[in-house]
Amino acid sequence: DAGVIQSPRHEVTEMGQEVTLRCKPISGHNSLFWYRQTMMRGLELLIYFNNNVPIDDSGMPEDRFSAKMPNASFSTLKIQPSEPRDSAVYFCASSFSPTGRTGELFFGEGSRLTVL
Amino acid sequence: QKEVEQNSGPLSVPEGAIASLNCTYSDRVSQSFFWYRQYSGKSPELIMSIYSNGDKEDGRFTAQLNKASQYVSLLIRDSQPSDSATYLCAVPLKMNSGYSTLTFGKGTMLLVSP
Repeated sequence: DAGVIQSPRHEVTEMGQEVTLRCKPISGHNSLFWYRQTMMRGLELLIYFNNNVPIDDSGMPEDRFSAKMPNASFSTLKIQPSEPRDSAVYFCASSFSPTGRTGELFFGEGSRLTVL
Repeated sequence: QKEVEQNSGPLSVPEGAIASLNCTYSDRVSQSFFWYRQYSGKSPELIMSIYSNGDKEDGRFTAQLNKASQYVSLLIRDSQPSDSATYLCAVPLKMNSGYSTLTFGKGTMLLVSP
C-alpha cells in the first residue's frame, strides 16, 4: 500500500519564483496536514484540511502561501513569491481522523526547498 | 508561545545504556501524548502513545506521563546505535476551528555510541 506521496523531493529556486509542492494522501484518509520543518522552529503546522475543506490555516506564515485540496487524493502548497527564509523541509501528512485521535499521522518523505 | 518543550540535545549514551528523553507541555487539559522518531533525512514516525498517568511499556520503550506536572518522558532501555535519531514529543491542541491537531516539540537528538 502506497504511503503519502510528495513531489518534488528537492527544489532549488531563486528568490521571487513561484514554488508548488504536491501531495497525494493515503487513500481513505480524510484529514491532510501540511507541516514545515526548520532547525530553528522545528515542525510547524501550516494548514489542515478535513474532507478536502481547509479547517485551520492559522499557521500559514503570510499571504505568499496558499494551499488547495481540489479532491480527496491531491493537495498543493504554493509559495509566490518565494523568499530565502522559506527554505525548509515541507511535509505533507494524512490521517483517518482530525486529531488523529490515535495521534498517528502518516508523513510523506518531505519536499526540501532551497530558495537562493 | 511554544506549547511543547524539549531539550534539543544531543543526548549521548553508550550502547546498552538507558536513554531518557523529556517533554513538558503547557496545556493542562491535554489528554493524549505521543512520541515520534525521526531519522536523519527521513520523516517522523509514531512509536509510542500514552493517555493515562503512569508508565506504558512497549518492548525496550517506556513512556511515562505525569499530568499534574505536565510532563511526559520516553525511556529507551538497552539503547542501540540504531536508536540514534531525533525524538519528537507531540500533543493534540485544540485550534480555533474546534478541531485538535498535533503540536510537536522541536525534538531531542539521541546519539548512541557503539
